[in-house]
Amino acid sequence: GEDVEQSLFLSVREGDSSVINCTYTDSSSTYLYWYKQEPGAGLQLLTYIFSNMDMKQDQRLTVLLNKKDKHLSLRIADTQTGDSAIYFCAESITGGGNKLTFGTGTQLKVEL
Amino acid sequence: DVKVTQSSRYLVKRTGEKVFLECVQDMDHENMFWYRQDPGLGLRLIYFSYDVKMKEKGDIPEGYSVSREKKERFSLILESASTNQTSMYLCASGTGTEEYFGPGTRLTVT
Repeated sequence: GEDVEQSLFLSVREGDSSVINCTYTDSSSTYLYWYKQEPGAGLQLLTYIFSNMDMKQDQRLTVLLNKKDKHLSLRIADTQTGDSAIYFCAESITGGGNKLTFGTGTQLKVEL
Repeated sequence: DVKVTQSSRYLVKRTGEKVFLECVQDMDHENMFWYRQDPGLGLRLIYFSYDVKMKEKGDIPEGYSVSREKKERFSLILESASTNQTSMYLCASGTGTEEYFGPGTRLTVT
């Protein structure tokens, strides 16, 4: 079955790196995603990684995928107060469009 | 830029009312989705559609129906609203790889 888990909260100081972790259970996942949700807003697609990749970097964001352990992480370098938000991990399975299964979200708080 | 719009940001309805939530996308996406978001539960898929007049049940379809008469528009219908349907409703459209979300409708059923 599909189950995506994340820790609920993470607090970091401005300028430090943040690492948000996610575990998933479905080994047939094809894409894994990171979304950001600011207060009162919808979800913004940050980045995604194909399941045959180990790493993807996009400016301050680095995604690491350990397929053996079914572990996904999002690293935000030089975290800023504007990065404070809820971050959702999601997985998709091939077959029938792109149905996503989401984690419960990690609330990132950036302190001065 | 992809644009997904939802008809209302906030909505208050009474128990038993029929409620329509509208979603429109401007990128000619074939896939459209309705989710609800509740604290501690993340996003849960209600219904989705891969084409006009086509619909598939998601994980929690009970109490909801959908309509997709045109490619750009996907409507979520609460036939008889109940208090346990108070939630944030998020619409999304996508290409099969990337999925883009609207701003959400916060529905309160009293």
